[in-house]
Amino acid sequence: KAGVTQTPRYLIKTRGQQVTLSCSPISGHRSVSWYQQTPGQGLQFLFEYFSETQRNKGNFPGRFSGRQFSNSRSEMNVSTLELGDSALYLCASSLEAPNTGELFFGEGSRLTVL
Amino acid sequence: AQSVTQPDIHITVSEGASLELRCNYSYGATPYLFWYVQSPGQGLQLLLKYFSGDTLVQGIKGFEAEFKRSQSSFNLRKPSVHWSDAAEYFCAVGAGSSSNTGKLIFGQGTTLQVKP
Repeated sequence: KAGVTQTPRYLIKTRGQQVTLSCSPISGHRSVSWYQQTPGQGLQFLFEYFSETQRNKGNFPGRFSGRQFSNSRSEMNVSTLELGDSALYLCASSLEAPNTGELFFGEGSRLTVL
Repeated sequence: AQSVTQPDIHITVSEGASLELRCNYSYGATPYLFWYVQSPGQGLQLLLKYFSGDTLVQGIKGFEAEFKRSQSSFNLRKPSVHWSDAAEYFCAVGAGSSSNTGKLIFGQGTTLQVKP
Protein backbone atom coordinates (compact mmCIF):
# COMPACT_ATOMS: atom_id res chain seq x y z
CA LYS A 1 0.00 0.00 0.00
CA ALA A 2 1.52 3.31 -1.05
CA GLY A 3 2.14 5.89 1.64
CA VAL A 4 1.39 9.57 1.67
CA THR A 5 3.00 11.22 -1.33
CA GLN A 6 3.99 14.86 -1.35
CA THR A 7 5.20 16.82 -4.34
CA PRO A 8 7.44 18.54 -4.95
CA ARG A 9 9.98 17.40 -2.33
CA TYR A 10 12.13 20.49 -2.65
CA LEU A 11 11.51 23.91 -4.09
CA ILE A 12 13.03 27.35 -4.02
CA LYS A 13 10.98 30.51 -4.44
CA THR A 14 11.59 34.21 -4.03
CA ARG A 15 9.72 36.63 -1.83
CA GLY A 16 6.38 37.69 -3.23
CA GLN A 17 5.86 34.57 -5.29
CA GLN A 18 3.26 31.96 -4.58
CA VAL A 19 3.60 28.21 -4.22
CA THR A 20 1.30 25.21 -4.46
CA LEU A 21 2.11 21.95 -2.70
CA SER A 22 0.37 18.69 -3.40
CA CYS A 23 -0.48 15.73 -1.20
CA SER A 24 -1.87 12.34 -2.18
CA PRO A 25 -3.16 10.47 0.87
CA ILE A 26 -3.08 6.77 1.46
CA SER A 27 -5.78 5.04 -0.52
CA GLY A 28 -9.01 4.99 1.46
CA HIS A 29 -7.99 7.81 3.78
CA ARG A 30 -10.42 10.70 3.68
CA SER A 31 -8.83 13.16 6.09
CA VAL A 32 -5.79 15.22 5.14
CA SER A 33 -3.97 17.55 7.49
CA TRP A 34 -1.13 19.96 6.85
CA TYR A 35 1.63 21.00 9.20
CA GLN A 36 4.47 23.49 9.01
CA GLN A 37 7.76 22.50 10.62
CA THR A 38 10.47 25.06 11.36
CA PRO A 39 13.44 24.96 13.74
CA GLY A 40 12.08 27.89 15.71
CA GLN A 41 8.37 27.13 15.94
CA GLY A 42 8.43 23.37 15.64
CA LEU A 43 5.43 21.56 14.21
CA GLN A 44 2.39 23.75 13.78
CA PHE A 45 -1.01 22.72 12.51
CA LEU A 46 -2.16 24.52 9.38
CA PHE A 47 -5.51 22.95 8.47
CA GLU A 48 -7.40 19.72 8.06
CA TYR A 49 -9.73 18.66 5.29
CA PHE A 50 -12.31 15.93 5.21
CA SER A 51 -14.67 15.24 2.33
CA GLU A 52 -13.54 18.41 0.57
CA THR A 53 -14.45 20.54 3.60
CA GLN A 54 -12.08 22.30 5.94
CA ARG A 55 -12.70 20.77 9.35
CA ASN A 56 -10.04 22.49 11.44
CA LYS A 57 -7.82 25.49 10.93
CA GLY A 58 -4.68 26.61 12.68
CA ASN A 59 -3.51 30.10 13.48
CA PHE A 60 -1.95 31.12 10.19
CA PRO A 61 -2.60 34.19 8.04
CA GLY A 62 -4.95 34.08 5.10
CA ARG A 63 -2.00 33.74 2.73
CA PHE A 64 -2.09 30.07 3.61
CA SER A 65 -4.95 28.20 2.02
CA GLY A 66 -5.82 24.71 1.04
CA ARG A 67 -8.36 22.53 -0.61
CA GLN A 68 -9.28 18.92 -1.02
CA PHE A 69 -10.54 17.21 -4.12
CA SER A 70 -13.16 14.51 -4.47
CA ASN A 71 -10.44 11.84 -4.64
CA SER A 72 -9.12 13.09 -1.26
CA ARG A 73 -5.98 14.56 -2.78
CA SER A 74 -5.15 17.90 -1.26
CA GLU A 75 -3.24 21.00 -2.17
CA MET A 76 -2.06 23.90 -0.10
CA ASN A 77 -1.15 27.29 -1.42
CA VAL A 78 0.94 30.05 0.05
CA SER A 79 0.67 33.42 -1.63
CA THR A 80 2.96 36.43 -1.36
CA LEU A 81 5.78 34.36 0.10
CA GLU A 82 7.85 35.74 2.95
CA LEU A 83 11.27 34.65 4.15
CA GLY A 84 9.64 33.21 7.26
CA ASP A 85 7.63 30.79 5.18
CA SER A 86 10.75 28.72 4.60
CA ALA A 87 9.90 25.43 6.22
CA LEU A 88 9.18 21.77 5.81
CA TYR A 89 5.52 21.34 4.99
CA LEU A 90 4.16 18.00 6.07
CA CYS A 91 0.96 16.39 4.94
CA ALA A 92 -0.72 13.64 6.91
CA SER A 93 -3.70 11.45 6.16
CA SER A 94 -5.94 9.41 8.39
CA LEU A 95 -8.92 7.13 8.28
CA GLU A 96 -12.25 8.58 9.27
CA ALA A 97 -13.01 6.03 11.91
CA PRO A 98 -13.46 6.20 15.65
CA ASN A 99 -10.52 5.79 17.93
CA THR A 100 -7.85 5.64 15.33
CA GLY A 101 -6.29 9.04 15.57
CA GLU A 102 -3.23 7.83 13.79
CA LEU A 103 -1.80 10.26 11.30
CA PHE A 104 0.33 8.90 8.48
CA PHE A 105 2.82 11.51 7.39
CA GLY A 106 4.47 12.09 4.06
CA GLU A 107 8.13 13.01 3.80
CA GLY A 108 7.32 16.64 3.31
CA SER A 109 7.93 19.45 0.87
CA ARG A 110 10.89 21.60 1.81
CA LEU A 111 10.30 25.19 0.77
CA THR A 112 13.09 27.72 0.71
CA VAL A 113 12.16 31.36 0.20
CA LEU A 114 14.97 33.68 -0.93
CA ALA B 1 -4.99 26.50 26.12
CA GLN B 2 -3.76 23.11 25.07
CA SER B 3 -0.02 22.66 25.12
CA VAL B 4 2.67 20.01 25.19
CA THR B 5 6.05 20.43 26.84
CA GLN B 6 9.07 18.28 26.25
CA PRO B 7 11.58 19.54 28.82
CA ASP B 8 14.63 17.91 27.24
CA ILE B 9 15.73 19.36 23.92
CA HIS B 10 18.64 16.99 23.51
CA ILE B 11 19.46 13.67 25.19
CA THR B 12 22.50 11.46 24.73
CA VAL B 13 22.51 7.84 25.89
CA SER B 14 24.87 4.95 25.35
CA GLU B 15 23.77 2.06 23.19
CA GLY B 16 22.17 -0.59 25.38
CA ALA B 17 21.22 1.88 28.10
CA SER B 18 17.65 2.61 29.08
CA LEU B 19 15.83 5.68 27.85
CA GLU B 20 13.09 7.91 29.17
CA LEU B 21 11.82 10.94 27.27
CA ARG B 22 9.58 13.28 29.19
CA CYS B 23 6.33 14.82 28.05
CA ASN B 24 3.89 17.00 29.96
CA TYR B 25 0.61 18.19 28.55
CA SER B 26 -2.04 20.72 29.35
CA TYR B 27 -5.51 19.76 28.24
CA GLY B 28 -8.91 20.27 29.79
CA ALA B 29 -10.53 16.98 28.93
CA THR B 30 -9.33 13.42 28.59
CA PRO B 31 -6.37 13.73 26.29
CA TYR B 32 -5.56 11.68 23.26
CA LEU B 33 -1.76 11.34 23.42
CA PHE B 34 0.79 10.27 20.88
CA TRP B 35 4.50 9.81 20.43
CA TYR B 36 5.98 10.22 16.96
CA VAL B 37 9.54 9.74 15.73
CA GLN B 38 11.23 11.60 12.89
CA SER B 39 14.46 10.51 11.27
CA PRO B 40 16.48 13.12 9.35
CA GLY B 41 14.82 14.06 6.08
CA GLN B 42 11.79 11.94 6.81
CA GLY B 43 8.22 12.43 7.86
CA LEU B 44 6.87 11.42 11.24
CA GLN B 45 6.08 7.86 12.23
CA LEU B 46 3.69 6.95 15.02
CA LEU B 47 5.34 5.03 17.86
CA LEU B 48 2.31 4.65 20.12
CA LYS B 49 -0.92 6.27 21.22
CA TYR B 50 -3.12 6.51 24.28
CA PHE B 51 -6.86 7.04 24.15
CA SER B 52 -8.22 5.30 27.23
CA GLY B 53 -7.89 2.15 29.30
CA ASP B 54 -4.59 0.71 30.38
CA THR B 55 -2.27 3.59 31.21
CA LEU B 56 0.81 1.68 30.06
CA VAL B 57 0.81 1.43 26.30
CA GLN B 58 3.11 -0.56 24.11
CA GLY B 59 4.31 0.67 20.76
CA ILE B 60 6.53 -0.30 17.92
CA LYS B 61 10.30 -0.77 18.06
CA GLY B 62 10.17 -1.79 21.74
CA PHE B 63 8.89 1.55 23.03
CA GLU B 64 6.30 2.01 25.75
CA ALA B 65 4.73 5.00 27.43
CA GLU B 66 2.85 5.54 30.65
CA PHE B 67 -0.03 7.96 31.04
CA LYS B 68 -0.14 9.59 34.47
CA ARG B 69 -3.16 11.84 34.80
CA SER B 70 -2.12 13.17 38.21
CA GLN B 71 1.16 14.40 36.76
CA SER B 72 -0.19 15.34 33.33
CA SER B 73 2.61 13.28 31.87
CA PHE B 74 3.06 10.76 29.10
CA ASN B 75 6.71 9.70 29.24
CA LEU B 76 8.25 7.46 26.62
CA ARG B 77 10.56 4.63 27.65
CA LYS B 78 12.72 1.97 26.13
CA PRO B 79 14.72 -0.54 28.19
CA SER B 80 17.66 -0.84 25.80
CA VAL B 81 18.46 1.72 23.14
CA HIS B 82 19.84 0.78 19.74
CA TRP B 83 21.96 3.03 17.54
CA SER B 84 19.09 3.12 15.04
CA ASP B 85 16.90 4.87 17.63
CA ALA B 86 18.82 8.11 17.10
CA ALA B 87 16.18 10.53 15.83
CA GLU B 88 13.89 13.30 16.95
CA TYR B 89 10.92 12.37 19.11
CA PHE B 90 7.71 14.31 19.37
CA CYS B 91 4.96 14.08 21.91
CA ALA B 92 1.54 15.29 20.77
CA VAL B 93 -1.98 15.73 22.05
CA GLY B 94 -5.10 15.49 19.95
CA ALA B 95 -6.72 18.88 19.94
CA GLY B 96 -10.07 18.04 18.43
CA SER B 97 -13.26 16.85 20.00
CA SER B 98 -12.71 13.22 19.14
CA SER B 99 -9.92 10.78 18.63
CA ASN B 100 -10.09 10.92 14.87
CA THR B 101 -9.04 14.50 14.49
CA GLY B 102 -6.17 15.45 12.29
CA LYS B 103 -5.34 18.39 14.52
CA LEU B 104 -2.49 17.62 16.88
CA ILE B 105 -0.50 19.92 19.12
CA PHE B 106 3.11 18.88 19.19
CA GLY B 107 5.85 19.44 21.71
CA GLN B 108 9.09 21.00 20.57
CA GLY B 109 10.75 17.63 20.22
CA THR B 110 13.65 15.82 21.85
CA THR B 111 16.68 14.90 19.80
CA LEU B 112 18.14 11.57 20.84
CA GLN B 113 21.79 10.85 20.22
CA VAL B 114 23.09 7.33 20.81
CA LYS B 115 26.74 6.78 21.72
CA PRO B 116 28.37 3.53 20.61
